[in-house]
Amino acid sequence: EAGVAQSPRYKIIEKRQSVAFWCNPISGHATLYWYQQILGQGPKLLIQFQNNGVVDDSQLPKDRFSAERLKGVDSTLKIQPAKLEDSAVYLCASSFAGTPDPYEQYFGPGTRLTVT
Amino acid sequence: GENVEQHPSTLSVQEGDSAVIKCTYSDSASNYFPWYKQELGKRPQLIIDIRSNVGEKKDQRIAVTLNKTAKHFSLHITETQPEDSAVYFCAATPLWGNTGKLIFGQGTTLQVKP
Repeated sequence: EAGVAQSPRYKIIEKRQSVAFWCNPISGHATLYWYQQILGQGPKLLIQFQNNGVVDDSQLPKDRFSAERLKGVDSTLKIQPAKLEDSAVYLCASSFAGTPDPYEQYFGPGTRLTVT
Repeated sequence: GENVEQHPSTLSVQEGDSAVIKCTYSDSASNYFPWYKQELGKRPQLIIDIRSNVGEKKDQRIAVTLNKTAKHFSLHITETQPEDSAVYFCAATPLWGNTGKLIFGQGTTLQVKP
């Protein structure tokens, strides 16, 4: 089966600029996750969608980050305005079901963001 | 909040030796513990997982053990090979909200020397 797709793979922007990332999960996967992975650290969940509804966005910096999954399939994550500390790899993952028993999460290749 | 501590941060072994990575978690309600392998510049990939109703699980050269009382779990790789070199992440899922939210450890960089 096709994996989780993400684009772009790399992005370099200046601080205070805006950027958007796109994710297409595995077909049939209702749950979609966005993680931020700073160099040398484990992934940190930013937001989780179940279909097109938000399940958990407790660690999303809502003053600058936003995400949507309008039709319950593709998702976009936006940063506006970007800060230097946003430099990281942004990973999208999907799973067949998030509740009540978590299934394996399949990760996309990630988008490496560099903010200068 | 929920926390997962992972040790060691780096591990170097000779080919053929065993490697052990340990994690502790804070939320006693966690019930699912996956391990991911991430090669340089690539996506994390699940290599093994364990649920709270078992104490050990094996898959060829890889095994995971879980001690719920002590709130720690470990990854064991036997007969290591150079291709095992990667960063390994443990994770745990707390039960609150039943969201499937994974809390990751900081990662262990494993180097297998030929």
